[in-house]
Amino acid sequence: DAKTTQPNSMESNEEEPVHLPCNHSTISGTDYIHWYRQLPSQGPEYVIHGLTSNVNNRMASLAIAEDRKSSTLILHRATLRDAAVYYCILRDGGSGTYKYIFGTGTRLKVLA
Amino acid sequence: DGGITQSPKYLFRKEGQNVTLSCEQNLNHDAMYWYRQDPGQGLRLIYYSQIVNDFQKGDIAEGYSVSREKKESFPLTVTSAQKNPTAFYLCASSARLAGPYNEQFFGPGTRLTVL
Repeated sequence: DAKTTQPNSMESNEEEPVHLPCNHSTISGTDYIHWYRQLPSQGPEYVIHGLTSNVNNRMASLAIAEDRKSSTLILHRATLRDAAVYYCILRDGGSGTYKYIFGTGTRLKVLA
Repeated sequence: DGGITQSPKYLFRKEGQNVTLSCEQNLNHDAMYWYRQDPGQGLRLIYYSQIVNDFQKGDIAEGYSVSREKKESFPLTVTSAQKNPTAFYLCASSARLAGPYNEQFFGPGTRLTVL
């Protein structure tokens, strides 16, 4: 299974943009990049996913490097409610497997 | 409101006892999953099911059992064979198993403590 590497923790000021990096140097051509976040004592929730092109939705943007070995989740204006653990996950698109491999993620702290 | 419910929210059990965690979804999803989360760690897959009456072991199935008799229900039993059962248990569902872009919806979790 391809693995991802994320910083253990990051801090941001409220109302400022946040860039959460993820390295996935062993990514295969059929792996989709997914991001989930988990608020304290809750289940994870979907944020965004992509394959090759940059993606935008109401929650965030996903910037994918041209060689796909890294990606960045962008929160355009951090709020206190965005304080959570953010997981970058690769999911195999080629074999139709089920697995999400959750690492330890990045704990984002938002300062008021 | 569509979603996933897990009960109870907190569960205490004595060592050597089996305990069953409930998971119900009304999203009409085919696939359901059970994960375990230990403090400061990511999620690890215990069991998953893609259709009724079918389920497969995940990465850490030893000491656990499941059933899928109804589409909307996927209960997890933590047996006495599970050596370190104290953890946060999360149930999830998705529209189908296969496919690289299937969003998983998670329940609120059950925190199990063995006394």
